[in-house]
Amino acid sequence: NAGVTQTPKFQVLKTGQSMTLQCAQDMNHEYMSWYRQDPGMGLRLIHYSVGAGITDQGEVPNGYNVSRSTTEDFPLRLLSAAPSQTSVYFCASSYFSGVAGNTIYFGEGSWLTVV
Amino acid sequence: DAKTTQPTSMDCAEGRAANLPCNHSTISGNEYVYWYRQIHSQGPQYIIHGLKNNETNEMASLIITEDRKSSTLILPHATLRDTAVYYCIVRPHTGRRALTFGSGTRLQVQP
Repeated sequence: NAGVTQTPKFQVLKTGQSMTLQCAQDMNHEYMSWYRQDPGMGLRLIHYSVGAGITDQGEVPNGYNVSRSTTEDFPLRLLSAAPSQTSVYFCASSYFSGVAGNTIYFGEGSWLTVV
Repeated sequence: DAKTTQPTSMDCAEGRAANLPCNHSTISGNEYVYWYRQIHSQGPQYIIHGLKNNETNEMASLIITEDRKSSTLILPHATLRDTAVYYCIVRPHTGRRALTFGSGTRLQVQP
């Protein structure tokens, strides 16, 4: 049981480049989400998904796309990287049904620098 | 999610109990108190949650006042590895999944 796995851990992009941050979980969680954390700040929700084929926007969705083709994977795409997207990105997952509660598990983070 | 208020920072001596307070005076009847922590450069880690009864697990204890307007997270024997930012979050046990993180309490465990 690996939990929530994010790749890559570190990435440097040039302005205008695109890339995908990968996230996978092996806990059969329905709910998955992406957060970003800027230095000295709390986490902010980018996009989330309540199941395969279903996604929705969070607090700061602009400049990012997501898809959920399987229960396990929830990739985050940066369409045209900007320096303002320099941040640490965290993927998270949890069960959606109430029986298992509301505990959310996080990956170890992906450090992205846009120059 | 109900608003929470936590001290900005706290210090604790290694081996002593760390008591982290949280005020949540607007908590609703269906909302639980959750605690997470974030050790430097790592993803947030779930610690414990509770509704109205005191809870204990292998990591910590959670004491919730009878009126549920405040709670205290207790790390019984703090170690240097417990140095982290601790977040108190109030939310329903089901439904909306996203977490709203406030500023948290930065706990520094001193040797």
